[in-house]
Amino acid sequence: EVQLLESGGGLVQPGGSLRLSCAASGLKYDIYAINWVRQAPGKGLEWVSGISSFGDTPYYADSVKGRFTISRDKSKNTLYLQMNSLRVEDTALYYCAKGDCSSVGCPGDHWGQGTLVTVSS
Amino acid sequence: DIQMTQSPSTLSASVGDRVTITCRASQTISTWLAWYQQKAGKAPKMLIYQASNLESGVPSRFSGSGSGTEFILTISSLQPDDFATYYCQHYNTYSWTFGQGTKVEVK
Repeated sequence: EVQLLESGGGLVQPGGSLRLSCAASGLKYDIYAINWVRQAPGKGLEWVSGISSFGDTPYYADSVKGRFTISRDKSKNTLYLQMNSLRVEDTALYYCAKGDCSSVGCPGDHWGQGTLVTVSS
Repeated sequence: DIQMTQSPSTLSASVGDRVTITCRASQTISTWLAWYQQKAGKAPKMLIYQASNLESGVPSRFSGSGSGTEFILTISSLQPDDFATYYCQHYNTYSWTFGQGTKVEVK
């Protein structure tokens, strides 16, 4: 059974940093793209970032470009999202979602349960 | 950037009703479209991919259609488990773009 488990969320002050992790199990991790999607309280889904199975090409939403960095450690079956210069508007539940192919150009067929990031002073 | 617009934002329906949700793209996207269901406090679940392909395990009362800029999700006979929020999503090599969501509530 495919499982994605996010961790690393928490309360941070504006301007601070957090690193989210997404640990994958039950799949051949290194052949699928993985994405981060966030959902602000009471709001819709917003794609944040994605990375191909090869890990060589990251993609970002304009709202986080230059502040967030996505990476993957295939030896640990884990995806990361390094979030710097956090803003109040980054407050959200962050999901990792596995694409059903090797590139970002596939929909998410498995999702984790999310980790909550709260940016507040 | 491509924008995805869903209508309606909220839909009131009864068990047994036929329900349709529309998603429009700001420019043509062929059939690079998926539909998701999200229940309160839960992660999204993919229902349909490539506009009309039913994801494994999803009940056959769900169907998707359309291409280009207009897409429709249909629930043929609404069941109690189907009250939720539904999102369309365009996916391409560089990004994902979601519609704003349609909440299906009890009439």
